[in-house]
Amino acid sequence: DQQVKQNSPSLSVQEGRISILNCDYTNSMFDYFLWYKKYPAEGPTFLISISSIKDKNEDGRFTVFLNKSAKHLSLHIVPSQPGDSAVYFCAAKSMLTTMDSSYKLIFGSGTRLLVRP
Amino acid sequence: DGGITQSPKYLFRKEGQNVTLSCEQNLNHDAMYWYRQDPGQGLRLIYYSQIVNDFQKGDIAEGYSVSREKKESFPLTVTSAQKNPTAFYLCASLDRGRETQYFGPGTRLLVL
Repeated sequence: DQQVKQNSPSLSVQEGRISILNCDYTNSMFDYFLWYKKYPAEGPTFLISISSIKDKNEDGRFTVFLNKSAKHLSLHIVPSQPGDSAVYFCAAKSMLTTMDSSYKLIFGSGTRLLVRP
Repeated sequence: DGGITQSPKYLFRKEGQNVTLSCEQNLNHDAMYWYRQDPGQGLRLIYYSQIVNDFQKGDIAEGYSVSREKKESFPLTVTSAQKNPTAFYLCASLDRGRETQYFGPGTRLLVL
């Protein structure tokens, strides 16, 4: 049972245009979400996060939107650059215990973004 | 220069052999994690450790073992009981203040 879903395995956009990567989740208890960028044979790099008390978080060219009622979030990259070409993972924070702030991440299957020059 | 290191980058395992993947961090993080990535899939949690001398099974712990004798180190052993070990293994540690897990560069394990 996939709790975090990225239904688009790939996306291709022209350099300078907007890239929109989507993510859906099923567990309404999730209250914190993260986006990671991953190049082949490397570890994921943290990009941006959002708490459920917000509906938008922005960091430079990257903006994440959260729609709690729809259980949907999206990552916008504007303007897209060829160096943005990578696999993007959406992840939700799932608490491991109630005793401290340790948690695990539940990942979607990723979306491969290709930015064409 | 703080970060998470994993070694080796590539590892080959023979049938029936146990192999150990190294993960070291100098970020002073208490919690550490091991994930596995298979092609076309997201990362899945193998084991985690919230503090030295403590660790817990994740979602796919069968065929794996870990230890946490030092804060900086969280090695993962892939035992012969793991029937499908070929994957990309990622270690992470948790920055509690930023509520963010940071990942190492990964180890690719291949079976001969």
